Amino acid sequence: DQQVKQNSPSLSVQEGRISILNCDYTNSMFDYFLWYKKYPAEGPTFLISISSIKDKNEDGRFTVFLNKSAKHLSLHIVPSQPGDSAVYFCAATTSGTYKYIFGTGTRLKVLA
Amino acid sequence: GAVVSQHPSRVICKSGTSVKIECRSLDFQATTMFWYRQFPKKSLMLMATSNEGSKATYEQGVEKDKFLINHASLTLSTLTVTSAHPEDSSFYICSASPGTYNEQFFGPGTRLTVL
Repeated sequence: DQQVKQNSPSLSVQEGRISILNCDYTNSMFDYFLWYKKYPAEGPTFLISISSIKDKNEDGRFTVFLNKSAKHLSLHIVPSQPGDSAVYFCAATTSGTYKYIFGTGTRLKVLA
Repeated sequence: GAVVSQHPSRVICKSGTSVKIECRSLDFQATTMFWYRQFPKKSLMLMATSNEGSKATYEQGVEKDKFLINHASLTLSTLTVTSAHPEDSSFYICSASPGTYNEQFFGPGTRLTVL
């Protein structure tokens, strides 16, 4: 049972354009969400997070949007840069458990 | 800050041998450490959660006698894959939490190949 899903396994975007990565979840107990960037043979690197009390969080080129009613979140990267090319994972957790449930990942390729 | 290291980064072993992977939090004390496994082109699957000084809690389907976890100090957790078989070949990643709200810091991972 995949509680966190990323339905797009890959995405290609031109440099300078916006990248939008999507994530859906099923467990209504999740109240904190995170996005990680991962290169092959490396551990995930934290990008940005959002609490369920918010619907938007912004950090530089990265913005995460949360739609609780739809159980959907998205990561916007603008402008996209070739160095953003990596696999992006969303993760969800319930406060106090410290357990992250990861999505299946989306491979982003930013074309120069 | 918040650096987590793993050693070794890559290990190749023969079938039937045991392999130990270390996870260290370098600049903070980790009350909780986590072990994940990632199959090729798949998500990170949580294997177990360990708290310093107590037994690890394993996720459903993870054999605790096969994947021995020790969290002997606030900066070190070890995962031992016992009697390794080729199907244990995978990328193992640890993370550490200082106990503050929802934070986990990930190590760089260990690539295990069992021949």
